[in-house]
Amino acid sequence: QVQLVESGGGVVQPGRSLRLSCAASGFPFSGHGMHWVRQAPGKGLEWVAVMSYDGSNEYYADSVKGRFTISRDNAKNTVFLQMNSLRPDDTAVYYCAKGTGDCSGGTCYGFLDYWGQGTLVTVSS
Amino acid sequence: DIQMTQSPSSLSASVGGRVTITCRASQTIRSFLNWYQQKPGKAPKLLIYAASRLQSGVPSRISASGSGTDFSLTISSLQPEDSATYYCQQSYSSRYTFGQGTKLEIK
Repeated sequence: QVQLVESGGGVVQPGRSLRLSCAASGFPFSGHGMHWVRQAPGKGLEWVAVMSYDGSNEYYADSVKGRFTISRDNAKNTVFLQMNSLRPDDTAVYYCAKGTGDCSGGTCYGFLDYWGQGTLVTVSS
Repeated sequence: DIQMTQSPSSLSASVGGRVTITCRASQTIRSFLNWYQQKPGKAPKLLIYAASRLQSGVPSRISASGSGTDFSLTISSLQPEDSATYYCQQSYSSRYTFGQGTKLEIK
């Protein structure tokens, strides 16, 4: 069965860095785009970043662009999120999610069909 | 970025009833619209993709429709376990965006 397990969260001071990992199993990892989505305490979901299946493309939300970097190691079935220059408003549970496309009918519709349990990042002095 | 706006922000309904949640995109997203359910302390769960396609294992009393900029999610025969927050999300752009969520309380 599909499993996504995030790690690397914790308490960090503003301006410092943190690297999150998401270990995947139960599906052909190298065939799927991988996403990070976050949720601040008591708030809604915010999409953060995506990396394509082969690492050739990556996209970011404006709120993290230039500070966060997504990467992946297909040999180790792991996706990462390097977070630099952290700010208090980056405090959130960070989820990794498996991207899937349904391409029946000639158009590919993307969605997030499996999610990890999340890892909490707290940015505070 | 494409903005997604849901309404209402919260609602309450009785067991056995029916509710509809709407989602509007700031530009056309054709049918690139997904719906998720999230319960407190849990990861989101995919309910609907491509605007109206039911994800495997999701009960058929959940349905959705729409295209272009206006979409809706309907839950019929409400059950206590439907109490959750529901989010729409567009995948028309590679930079996905979510609606702000709709909290459903079952009385």
